[in-house]
Amino acid sequence: DAKTTQPPSMDCAEGRAANLPCNHSTISGNEYVYWYRQIHSQGPQYIIHGLKNNETNEMASLIITEDRKSSTLILPHATLRDTAVYYCIVRGGGSNYKLTFGKGTLLTVNP
Amino acid sequence: GAGVSQTPSNKVTEKGKYVELRCDPISGHTALYWYRQSLGQGPEFLIYFQGTGAADDSGLPNDRFFAVRPEGSVSTLKIQRTERGDSAVYLCASSLLAGDIYNEQFFGPGTRLTVL
Repeated sequence: DAKTTQPPSMDCAEGRAANLPCNHSTISGNEYVYWYRQIHSQGPQYIIHGLKNNETNEMASLIITEDRKSSTLILPHATLRDTAVYYCIVRGGGSNYKLTFGKGTLLTVNP
Repeated sequence: GAGVSQTPSNKVTEKGKYVELRCDPISGHTALYWYRQSLGQGPEFLIYFQGTGAADDSGLPNDRFFAVRPEGSVSTLKIQRTERGDSAVYLCASSLLAGDIYNEQFFGPGTRLTVL
């Protein structure tokens, strides 16, 4: 699976949009971009995934660049409960059942 | 409905002892995964079950680690002769199917293992 690069930490004001970037410059054509988050002392939670089109669900939006080398997870109106570590994961190929986590981005939402 | 549950939530043991960690997946999920998370790191894959069989155990660090899923539901991760380096949070996840990237993995809250 392709390697991902994320900033170690970010801050966001409550009620504002949180934009979390991820670089995955070595992504292959059949690999998907997944986002999970992990709130303190809990297991990771699935957020969203995409291949090349932008995706939106009730939790977030995922914007993938046209060359697929980077993506941005957008939380449109961040709340204090969104404070968590956010993991960007590239998944696909032969071992597509396996999630390979990096260190993620610690997003802190401030009141 | 009920999510993935793991017991115990915390386990403290002494170096050299044997421990068992239990995972109850979501009912009907055929795939089950174990991950290990050290402090400050993301989870690392250990083993994946499709039904009763371990389809990929390449992440198990050594032969002190073993996992079973005898009836294709509950799984137990077993660690023999524990070492201080085994201290971590052990996470279990399940998914409806496996080998399909459309199936999200649902994680349990983890078992925090501390080896003194």
